[in-house]
Amino acid sequence: DAKTTQPPSMDCAEGRAANLPCNHSTISGNEYVYWYRQIHSQGPQYIIHGLKNNETNEMASLIITEDRKSSTLILPHATLRDTAVYYCIVLDSNFGNEKLTFGTGTRLTIIP
Amino acid sequence: DAGVTQSPTHLIKTRGQQVTLRCSPKSGHDTVSWYQQALGQGPQFIFQYYEEEERQRGNFPDRFSGHQFPNYSSELNVNALLLGDSALYLCASSLVGGGPSTDTQYFGPGTRLTVL
Repeated sequence: DAKTTQPPSMDCAEGRAANLPCNHSTISGNEYVYWYRQIHSQGPQYIIHGLKNNETNEMASLIITEDRKSSTLILPHATLRDTAVYYCIVLDSNFGNEKLTFGTGTRLTIIP
Repeated sequence: DAGVTQSPTHLIKTRGQQVTLRCSPKSGHDTVSWYQQALGQGPQFIFQYYEEEERQRGNFPDRFSGHQFPNYSSELNVNALLLGDSALYLCASSLVGGGPSTDTQYFGPGTRLTVL
């Protein structure tokens, strides 16, 4: 069973920041938060992951609350190509290569 | 740097037939995981191969089997196909060990299987 809760859908205007929330209230100390996205009928694309600290890469930023019970993925300047289903996944990487358990994700639609 | 590749892209079979899907991992990766994604659902884990052995398995029947070759590529075999096996089959590769910086799974484009 997925350990995360995400809103089913969100809209964001093109050029604005898209903020996608994720609740993971049962996360344990050695579990990481991973984000993937899936553009229609393609394979999921890895975006970013983090443990405690905020993380940023060329695609997005990940903000994790201090109690680690929730996080937010931020796409700073959304474009039409960011329209996709976004999955938040909690994963224990201490054991390496654990299976990914996908929930229903958030369908993000970027509005022109 | 070659990413994960899968073949074929699309496949149409009839009930009762057998199918083999293929996956080549990202360069430098040694572990392959397979997922099934039915229409409108998130991907579901089938199994994972490392060192040519099945390392983990999800809740799928024995009709689903796999293999990993010495060059780390992998095959997914499905016997006695059912209509419900129609789905997008995804392969993901990763590298064992080294912590979260190397454990990230990268997905291929998938194989769309239609069972008639």
